[in-house]
Amino acid sequence: NAGVTQTPKFQVLKTGQSMTLQCAQDMNHEYMSWYRQDPGMGLRLIHYSVGAGITDQGEVPNGYNVSRSTTEDFPLRLLSAAPSQTSVYFCASSLTQNRGYGYTFGSGTRLTVV
Amino acid sequence: DAKTTQPPSMDCAEGRAANLPCNHSTISGNEYVYWYRQIHSQGPQYIIHGLKNNETNEMASLIITEDRKSSTLILPHATLRDTAVYYCIVRVDALSSGSARQLTFGSGTQLTVLP
Repeated sequence: NAGVTQTPKFQVLKTGQSMTLQCAQDMNHEYMSWYRQDPGMGLRLIHYSVGAGITDQGEVPNGYNVSRSTTEDFPLRLLSAAPSQTSVYFCASSLTQNRGYGYTFGSGTRLTVV
Repeated sequence: DAKTTQPPSMDCAEGRAANLPCNHSTISGNEYVYWYRQIHSQGPQYIIHGLKNNETNEMASLIITEDRKSSTLILPHATLRDTAVYYCIVRVDALSSGSARQLTFGSGTQLTVLP
């Protein structure tokens, strides 16, 4: 049981490049979400999904796109990377968003935009 | 969801109990208290949650005051591996509210366990 798997672990991008951060879970969780964490700060929600085919915006969605074609995968796309998107990105999943417990987080993707 | 207030940092001696406070004076009757922690560079990890009764699991105990305006997370015998940022989150149980709720993280408390 791998839990939540994020790839890559590290990435350096040039300004204007695009890329996709991958997130996969093998727990048949209905709910998945993406957070970003800037140095010394708490996590901020970017986008979330309550099931395949359903996504919605979180607190800081600008510059990011998501889709959920399967229950297992929830990729995060950076359309045109900017230095302000330098951050650590965490993917999380939960059996349901209805409960605040039992969220499982991935180990993070550390992204630097130069 | 109600706001929470936590001290920015605390120290604790290894082997002693770590008591992490959280104020949530505007908590409403259907809001739960959740605790997560984040060990350096890792994703957050769920610890415990409660509504109004005290709760205990293999990781920690949660003490909620009778008026529910504050709570304390207790790590009974802190180890060096408990050094982490601890987040107190107050949130409605969406099943009872009928609306979506997200997990919102504040700044948390940096707990440092000293040898």
